Parts: sequence; structure tokens; C-alpha cells
Amino acid sequence: SQTIHQWPATLVQPVGSPLSLECTVEGTSNPNLYWYRQAAGRGLQLLFYSVGIGQISSEVPQNLSASRPQDRQFILSSKKLLLSDSGFYLCAWSSLRTAPYEQYFGPGTRLTVT
Amino acid sequence: LAKTTQPISMDSYEGQEVNITCSHNNIATNDYITWYQQFPSQGPRFIIQGYKTKVTNEVASLFIPADRKSSTLSLPRVSLSDTAVYYCLVGDGGNSGYALNFGKGTSLLVTP
Repeated sequence: SQTIHQWPATLVQPVGSPLSLECTVEGTSNPNLYWYRQAAGRGLQLLFYSVGIGQISSEVPQNLSASRPQDRQFILSSKKLLLSDSGFYLCAWSSLRTAPYEQYFGPGTRLTVT
Repeated sequence: LAKTTQPISMDSYEGQEVNITCSHNNIATNDYITWYQQFPSQGPRFIIQGYKTKVTNEVASLFIPADRKSSTLSLPRVSLSDTAVYYCLVGDGGNSGYALNFGKGTSLLVTP
């Protein structure tokens, strides 16, 4: 069966510090991968998605970046965090074997920028 | 993705049937209608998807009229554990790798 991991689960970082969140998927190959953010009181916002290694599409211009160094690994980074980067970050995957728009989400990372 | 409109919140009592309607006037021919459920501090969970008429699974039913400009998610006999945010999404996947934009969804509160 497929499993998606995210770490860390929670993170408190000062403004201006770097960020690295990691997501890995097990049990499937060549998945589509996604990063979402949910800020307090807001809906779920798509940040990046990837259909293959090294292929990253950005949905929202910001100080975040994403990379996909391996087929089942997706990394969200920032060189300098802003207060507005606080939120709940979710990684998700889908594949051609699933229904269109059927995505599976990880447990999330709660990021607080102080 | 086609724009969707759904109520911000709904309340229900345990045991009642809940119907959440989503309007998507600009739905395209190839678009599917997908619903997700999200509990606090968790990622969304895929509930159901349909293209036309009616789809039913163990969790919910999805009713789609002939013009497909709206859809209704029906939750039979809700329990307290159905308290969650429900998202309606419309799109065809296409070349975007099935990227989704969830919006704010409908916050359903079920009380005893």
C-alpha cells in the first residue's frame, strides 16, 4: 500500500531563518506531487506541483521554492522565512492509477514563524 | 479550474441527512466534480467524484443535474464525527498534473 511521510510534524522558526520541509512517498512510482499551505482561517492553497523529477510548477509567487531530487521525494524550501509563511503545510500525491483529482495527503507540518 | 461556490457553513443535528450544494456555472465538458473532507489538523480526504447523474459510495452520494452547473453532496444520517470542512472542486486535470485549488469549503458542524 502507499504511504506518504512528512517531517517535521511541527516547527518553530524565527523570521529570516531558512526552511526545509521534506515529503516522501512509498508504494508507488512516478507520482504527481503537490505542496499546499493552509493559513489560519483560510482555505487550502496550492503552492507547487510536480509531474516528474526536476519538473516543478509554481502556483503562487512567494519566497518559497520546491525541488524534486528523486521520484518520490519532494522538498519545500525557503532561504528567509517571513511571518506570513506561518501555516499548515501539506504534501500530497496522485497517480494515473487514481481517479482524476484523487489526491492523498500527508500528515502535514505545522510551521510557526516568530 | 472552474470556479465553484458553496456555502461557508452549515449546521445539522445527529442522524439527519445533510446536503451541501456547490455551483459551478462555468464547468467544461471534460471536467469532473470532486469532493473532499478535511478534519482539523489533517490533510483533506477524497470522498467522491462524479461526471453526471448520481454516484454513491460507502460515505456519500453525489447528485449532478443534467446541465452539470451544480452538484450536491449528500451525507446520510450524519454523526458528530462528520463535523469537518467539505470542499467542492471542478476540473479535468489536463496538463496540470491534476493540480487542485481548494478554496475555503463548507464548514459543517454536527451537534447532538
